[in-house]
Amino acid sequence: DAMVIQNPRYQVTQFGKPVTLSCSQTLNHNVMYWYQQKSSQAPKLLFHYYDKDFNNEADTPDNFQSRRPNTSFCFLDIRSPGLGDAAMYLCATSGWRGSPLHFGNGTRLTVT
Amino acid sequence: DAKTTQPNSMESNEEEPVHLPCNHSTISGTDYIHWYRQLPSQGPEYVIHGLTSNVNNRMASLAIAEDRKSSTLILHRATLRDAAVYYCIPLSQGNLIFGKGTKLSVKP
Repeated sequence: DAMVIQNPRYQVTQFGKPVTLSCSQTLNHNVMYWYQQKSSQAPKLLFHYYDKDFNNEADTPDNFQSRRPNTSFCFLDIRSPGLGDAAMYLCATSGWRGSPLHFGNGTRLTVT
Repeated sequence: DAKTTQPNSMESNEEEPVHLPCNHSTISGTDYIHWYRQLPSQGPEYVIHGLTSNVNNRMASLAIAEDRKSSTLILHRATLRDAAVYYCIPLSQGNLIFGKGTKLSVKP
């Protein structure tokens, strides 16, 4: 089945140690998104790619970066994780802006 | 982005219909009304979307008010598996921005 896959499901990192989360898709969708979801809160959009065009949300911290080397893969890099960055990170894709999103099941990041 | 208002929580009995309301009085003429749900420990899942006419699919029905300032997601027979947070999101060419949603509990 075509889908959005996030690895790993759980990630533990140390305070200040860079970490990379990955997302892959078999849907061949143009748009890929990264959301952050903290406990008992709604998902919050960090940034998205429309093809190779990167679009950052205004309030996304500089500590968060993203790479999209090809259509299928997208990475979220957290350069110096703080305790406040512990959250579920969700990747999503859509065929075009405004079309329904397909989400992965997320990577739960713990910062020790 | 259009603002939405949804009840914080709702309860339903299993196998009964559920009507989840959403107010979106500032919706623009080109915004579709999208509904997503998020089951515990999973990513959000697309449920349904519509512009003006009522819409049906295998998961749910969407009833849209004539003035488009509100909509209602209808689950015709709630099951335990429908317990989730339901998000109503106006969307056109912009990005999906989640509000607080409605937490639906389903009692056996």
